[in-house]
Amino acid sequence: DVKVTQSSRYLVKRTGEKVFLECVQDMDHENMFWYRQDPGLGLRLIYFSYDVKMKEKGDIPEGYSVSREKKERFSLILESASTNQTSMYLCASSYPGGVGGYTFGSGTRLTVV
Amino acid sequence: EDQVTQSPEALRLQEGESSSLNCSYTVSGLRGLFWYRQDPGKGPEFLFTLYSAGEEKEKERLKATLTKKESFLHITAPKPEDSATYLCAVRGSMEYGNKLVFGAGTILRVKS
Repeated sequence: DVKVTQSSRYLVKRTGEKVFLECVQDMDHENMFWYRQDPGLGLRLIYFSYDVKMKEKGDIPEGYSVSREKKERFSLILESASTNQTSMYLCASSYPGGVGGYTFGSGTRLTVV
Repeated sequence: EDQVTQSPEALRLQEGESSSLNCSYTVSGLRGLFWYRQDPGKGPEFLFTLYSAGEEKEKERLKATLTKKESFLHITAPKPEDSATYLCAVRGSMEYGNKLVFGAGTILRVKS
């Protein structure tokens, strides 16, 4: 069964901490994505990557960065966590122009206190 | 800019009471409309892809249809296990790579 695995289901971090969210996929997908999901706002794209070492800003990249050193792994970094970054973070992957859209991970619920 | 609006925000149904969820979209050159189901605390799960007006897809009690401006997810004789958030997303011709734009979702509750 194909999978996208996010390293943590729940995280609690303090304001100002540097936070790493990890995502690994086993489907050999070229494209990987990071979204955040907030009530009433839906999924908003933070960053995406269409190949190793390549990255593109999404709609809300401020306060975030990403790293993709290997095809299967896409990391989201919160440089200095703030309370307004408390959210559900979803990682997804796909083939370029994939018919089935995305395969999502289970999500990481991040709380910044 | 591509946009997706879903309605209603929330829907309560009795078991067996059929209804429809709406997804209205504006996009420059539709290259796919996607429906996902999301259970609480989990990531979205793919249901359907539709590509052109008039297309329909079915899976168990769900049927998705597409026009040039909107898509409907019809739920026939729903059961409590159909309770979830249903997300709609589009991919437009101006979107780089395989980027999708999502709506805010419809929360469906089916009571027995």
